[in-house]
Amino acid sequence: AQSVTQLDSQVPVFEEAPVELRCNYSSSVSVYLFWYVQYPNQGLQLLLKYLSGSTLVKGINGFEAEFNKSQTSFHLRKPSVHISDTAEYFCAVSGTGGDDKIIFGKGTRLHILP
Amino acid sequence: GAGVSQSPRYKVTKRGQDVALRCDPISGHVSLYWYRQALGQGPEFLTYFNYEAQQDKSGLPNDRFSAERPEGSISTLTIQRTEQRDSAMYRCASSQPREGSEQYFGPGTRLTVT
Repeated sequence: AQSVTQLDSQVPVFEEAPVELRCNYSSSVSVYLFWYVQYPNQGLQLLLKYLSGSTLVKGINGFEAEFNKSQTSFHLRKPSVHISDTAEYFCAVSGTGGDDKIIFGKGTRLHILP
Repeated sequence: GAGVSQSPRYKVTKRGQDVALRCDPISGHVSLYWYRQALGQGPEFLTYFNYEAQQDKSGLPNDRFSAERPEGSISTLTIQRTEQRDSAMYRCASSQPREGSEQYFGPGTRLTVT
């Protein structure tokens, strides 16, 4: 079974500053990793995913994440945030053995300060 | 094309009543998933289907919850004898059957049990 921990429930950051949202996972098997974003009053949308290959993954809206197997982490970063990035961000994991069940973290709310 | 749709968007019901929540996936998507999302939490897996076959129902909380997808397209999640603790956002997602495929989420049904 897999699990996901998002240590920060809320992260305030000034506009145009860099941000990192932390995600750690636990699994006894190989994993796929995802970051989803939920804008206010909207559904979830995929930001990026790691399946295999390069550990640095680039997604939409200037976000990127790095898979670190030894630290079992998949932190999300953006070098300069905008007010439009205000949203809830969910890290998620699934096993690679044909089990498509995705386990989500509790989410991190990103507050952009003017 | 059209995304995942869910109906109703909002449902208020009295404790003890049965409710049926509907999900219409993206045309051609083989896999369909149901999640429950409590306020301030990430989506919690309930069950998923490939075509009409229910592959995993390990997330269904108890036997009051059931789901079907009889023709491999539209799915219905049924909650019998609703309780106040069933109040939540119920989300549906669909995807292609390839491992690691992006799941496309619907807008959700907000269920309130009074």
